[in-house]
Amino acid sequence: GQNIDQPTEMTATEGAIVQINCTYQTSGFNGLFWYQQHAGEAPTFLSYNVLDGLEEKGRFSSFLSRSKGYSYLLLKELQMKDSASYLCAVRDLKGGYNKLIFGAGTRLAVHP
Amino acid sequence: ETGVTQTPRHLVMGMTNKKSLKCEQHLGHNAMYWYKQSAKKPLELMFVYNFKEQTENNSVPSRFSPECPNSSHLFLHLHTLQPEDSALYLCASSPTLGENTIYFGEGSWLTVV
Repeated sequence: GQNIDQPTEMTATEGAIVQINCTYQTSGFNGLFWYQQHAGEAPTFLSYNVLDGLEEKGRFSSFLSRSKGYSYLLLKELQMKDSASYLCAVRDLKGGYNKLIFGAGTRLAVHP
Repeated sequence: ETGVTQTPRHLVMGMTNKKSLKCEQHLGHNAMYWYKQSAKKPLELMFVYNFKEQTENNSVPSRFSPECPNSSHLFLHLHTLQPEDSALYLCASSPTLGENTIYFGEGSWLTVV
């Protein structure tokens, strides 16, 4: 079956660093995505990993270990506007095409 | 602005009503999706359309009826819904089926009373 786990809630301080973990189990793994979703808004694409290692994009970095079924999203120099839900999603090759399977999301609250 | 527009943004309907959600994408994409987002639950894929043909119905109850007249428009017709169907309904599109990045609309908040 398919299973994606991430913490429900996290809090952090403005200017700090926070790491949001995601573990997954899928049969046809074909890439992992992180999306950001502010309250009442559409999820927006943050990062994509298909090979092991770290992908850095400004203040945000995403790491993948396929052998461990593990990823994390690292947010540096936190800003108040980073308060949002962060969705881990795995692309699963099934039935001849790729499907995106989402975790429940991690709600991050950044405090002054 | 993601290029995917959903209307209405908010909808309150009774259990005997019939209503529709509309999605339009201006990105020239060929695949469109309906997702359901309930509080504290993962996004659930409901329907997938590729070149306006339905390729997936993820065991969705028949009280939800999708329609895709062309690659740019997607509807979700609602009839005889239950209170537990109250959720955020997100439309999304991607250049091709299973493409790396999908683009979401802002969503339609549905409340069934």
